[in-house]
Amino acid sequence: NAGVTQTPKFQVLKTGQSMTLQCAQDMNHNSMYWYRQDPGMGLRLIYYSASEGTTDKGEVPNGYNVSRLNKREFSLRLESAAPSQTSVYFCASSHRGPPSNTGELFFGEGSRLTVL
Amino acid sequence: GENVEQHPSTLSVQEGDSAVIKCTYSDSASNYFPWYKQELGKGPQLIIDIRSNVGEKKDQRIAVTLNKTAKHFSLHITETQPEDSAVYFCAAIGGGADGLTFGKGTHLIIQP
Repeated sequence: NAGVTQTPKFQVLKTGQSMTLQCAQDMNHNSMYWYRQDPGMGLRLIYYSASEGTTDKGEVPNGYNVSRLNKREFSLRLESAAPSQTSVYFCASSHRGPPSNTGELFFGEGSRLTVL
Repeated sequence: GENVEQHPSTLSVQEGDSAVIKCTYSDSASNYFPWYKQELGKGPQLIIDIRSNVGEKKDQRIAVTLNKTAKHFSLHITETQPEDSAVYFCAAIGGGADGLTFGKGTHLIIQP
């Protein structure tokens, strides 16, 4: 099983450009998440989808949009990239999700984004 | 919402010694406390978790303890090995709707 697959693994953007990070999971999980990881800041939740058809803001949603395309896929879009969005982005999935998220999160390998 | 503090940010120990990483949380309603290990270039992976109705849980060389009164929990790794070198994150789930809140991470370095 592939688990959680993210694309692309690396991307360089110029300020103001747009892009979409793709994520797919093959574990039939209900919930999916997008986190960003910055040095000294840990993992911060951007958006999540507790179940197919729903999305909700996390701790740092500004500048991002998401789409839960189907049960398998959850994409993250940067409409107008800014240098502050330079980060490593992780997609994750879990069988159960908020508000009673007591299940294991399975993470992808990350997407490293640099905005110049 | 929930706030999770994690210490230390960097921990260096000799191979074979024990390592302890500590976390505190703010929401007394939190009931689930996982620990994730992140190796270089990889995504985090769950290594152990504990629920609020349990005080301690062990899995081979790793253990987690929980003190609900003091609102803190700790990860203990005994007989450390080179493959234990990684970044470790604690997390807690509070009473809000956002799910897991992570600590800022501890970079564990195992010195040969």
